[in-house]
Amino acid sequence: GAGVSQSPSNKVTEKGKDVELRCDPISGHTALYWYRQSLGQGLEFLIYFQGNSAPDKSGLPSDRFSAERTGGSVSTLTIQRTQQEDSAVYLCASSARGMLSTDTQYFGPGTRLTVL
Amino acid sequence: GESVGLHLPTLSVQEDDNSIINCAYSNSASDYFIWYKQESGKGPQFIIDIRSNMDKRQGQRVTVLLNKTVKHLSLQIAATQPGDSAVYFCLSGGYQKVTFGTGTKLQVIP
Repeated sequence: GAGVSQSPSNKVTEKGKDVELRCDPISGHTALYWYRQSLGQGLEFLIYFQGNSAPDKSGLPSDRFSAERTGGSVSTLTIQRTQQEDSAVYLCASSARGMLSTDTQYFGPGTRLTVL
Repeated sequence: GESVGLHLPTLSVQEDDNSIINCAYSNSASDYFIWYKQESGKGPQFIIDIRSNMDKRQGQRVTVLLNKTVKHLSLQIAATQPGDSAVYFCLSGGYQKVTFGTGTKLQVIP
């Protein structure tokens, strides 16, 4: 595709419900990244995929968070039993080669999650 | 990766003045740096990058300076325009690791 796309753009859910966020990276990009951005704050790294595997899951805040990537393309970030502190914008990025030290990451527009 | 600094400072500049936005990084193994611009409600957009074998790189109205000795990166915007108002933050890339610097909110006063 022309750029990274994410869906939904906005999600409002009730505390305790599960949510799934989707990311479609740029076609052909090897690496995919998930970040979280709370209101007025910087980016918080969550997880990084190289192909379908995740060499770095260090940023996942709790075991309620999980992510998968299939076919080396689309990724879903799942948050189980959502809490109010999960409310944030979840950003996805992709890069061509997956070499963290030299790759430019291209970001999607984000999914704004609001947990009531 | 890790994020550095979760509270955003604000820089206010007059239209047509030059802006300088700073970023300190902590990973001494970083060898690739990117500046991103994030407008309200949008995802970050790539502005300019620089590799560790360079001290300066210029783009259209923007210049990035890298001081590896003190692990400091700056973004200079010439003749700042209202459309430059956004949050700016740097990314430093090292082996299998990315680090985000403290974002800065730029406000341009017409």
